[in-house]
Amino acid sequence: EPEVTQTPSHQVTQMGQEVILRCVPISNHLYFYWYRQILGQKVEFLVSFYNNEISEKSEIFDDQFSVERPDGSNFTLKIRSTKLEDSAMYFCASSDPGYTFGSGTRLTVV
Amino acid sequence: EDQVTQSPEALRLQEGESSSLNCSYTVSGLRGLFWYRQDPGKGPEFLFTLYSAGEEKEKERLKATLTKKESFLHITAPKPEDSATYLCAVQAPRNTDKLIFGTGTRLQVFP
Repeated sequence: EPEVTQTPSHQVTQMGQEVILRCVPISNHLYFYWYRQILGQKVEFLVSFYNNEISEKSEIFDDQFSVERPDGSNFTLKIRSTKLEDSAMYFCASSDPGYTFGSGTRLTVV
Repeated sequence: EDQVTQSPEALRLQEGESSSLNCSYTVSGLRGLFWYRQDPGKGPEFLFTLYSAGEEKEKERLKATLTKKESFLHITAPKPEDSATYLCAVQAPRNTDKLIFGTGTRLQVFP
């Protein structure tokens, strides 16, 4: 069964450092998303991406966040200067129209 | 404001003891309602999508139903391996594809 692949599974970074989270969506899907889940809280939408541009973003997705599809298969989320409150599970998803999530990257900012 | 509320927050069942999880929603124009299963430290695993009131879908011991205001996930004769958090999410039109999630129901099934 097709799946969304995320790397790394766990990343520890120092506050103020840049991190890049990587995702390989399902190959024939056209819509891509990033969500996050702070420990013990609900899954929250960050951004959606279609046709090589952002189609929607939430209030959380401020100037320190960016997304990119550098080639035909990868989809990345960059956090420019990490803060302690960025610690969370980050999930990539793709849809067309079925909505499939990856297994997540646990980001720990210390 | 679009909102999803799940109840109960936690549910403990004996193996074989059937029950239902509730997801109530307020959204102006529902495009779809999604049920996911989430194991600790993992991503949401897709279970069902429901699109219109009256629709029902089944998979093994799970059955999802939808009305105009809520959805139920019925678990028949659960087994310990059904223990997980069950998430409900809605997708509304208005040119958005995002999902709005509830906080989930944490289910524990004891042998």
